[in-house]
Amino acid sequence: NAGVTQTPKFQVLKTGQSMTLQCAQDMNHEYMSWYRQDPGMGLRLIHYSVGAGITDQGEVPNGYNVSRSTTEDFPLRLLSAAPSQTSVYFCASSYTRAGARGEKLFFGSGTQLSVL
Amino acid sequence: GENVEQHPSTLSVQEGDSAVIKCTYSDSASNYFPWYKQELGKRPQLIIDIRSNVGEKKDQRIAVTLNKTAKHFSLHITETQPEDSAVYFCAASGSNYQLIWGAGTKLIIKP
Repeated sequence: NAGVTQTPKFQVLKTGQSMTLQCAQDMNHEYMSWYRQDPGMGLRLIHYSVGAGITDQGEVPNGYNVSRSTTEDFPLRLLSAAPSQTSVYFCASSYTRAGARGEKLFFGSGTQLSVL
Repeated sequence: GENVEQHPSTLSVQEGDSAVIKCTYSDSASNYFPWYKQELGKRPQLIIDIRSNVGEKKDQRIAVTLNKTAKHFSLHITETQPEDSAVYFCAASGSNYQLIWGAGTKLIIKP
């Protein structure tokens, strides 16, 4: 099992560019999510999905889109990058919504994104 | 709204001493409280968790205590070692079964 695979590891964008962060898991997890991590602010939920075809907004969804066409994949799209989106992004998955039954969250290795 | 406050933001302890990190949550309905450890440049990983029907849980050198009345929970690390240096995040289950995260504590182990 590869677990949660996240690409790319590093990315530099210019303001206004778009890009997609890829996330895939091979554990048949229902729940997948995207977080951003900024210094002193912990982990903030961007979007999440509880199954194929189902997505919902988290705490900081503006400027990001997601889709869940398969159980395995959950890409995050930046529509028009802004300097405020400079951050470290983590994809995470679990069997159910982490918290519902105390499910462990499995994190990807992270993407360090810089928007100039 | 729902929030989790975590203190301190930075904690420096001598190797071999104990470390305690505290979190306070606002939602009285929260019933699941995990702790994640993130080493420098790595992904967060679950190290211990506790549910609301338990007051304390131990796993070797780490323990978590929960006070539901006061709505706070704490991580205790005894006999600290260099490999304990990391950022530690607490979280509490919130509405719609999402996790609400604390801001993190950077633990520094001095040799």
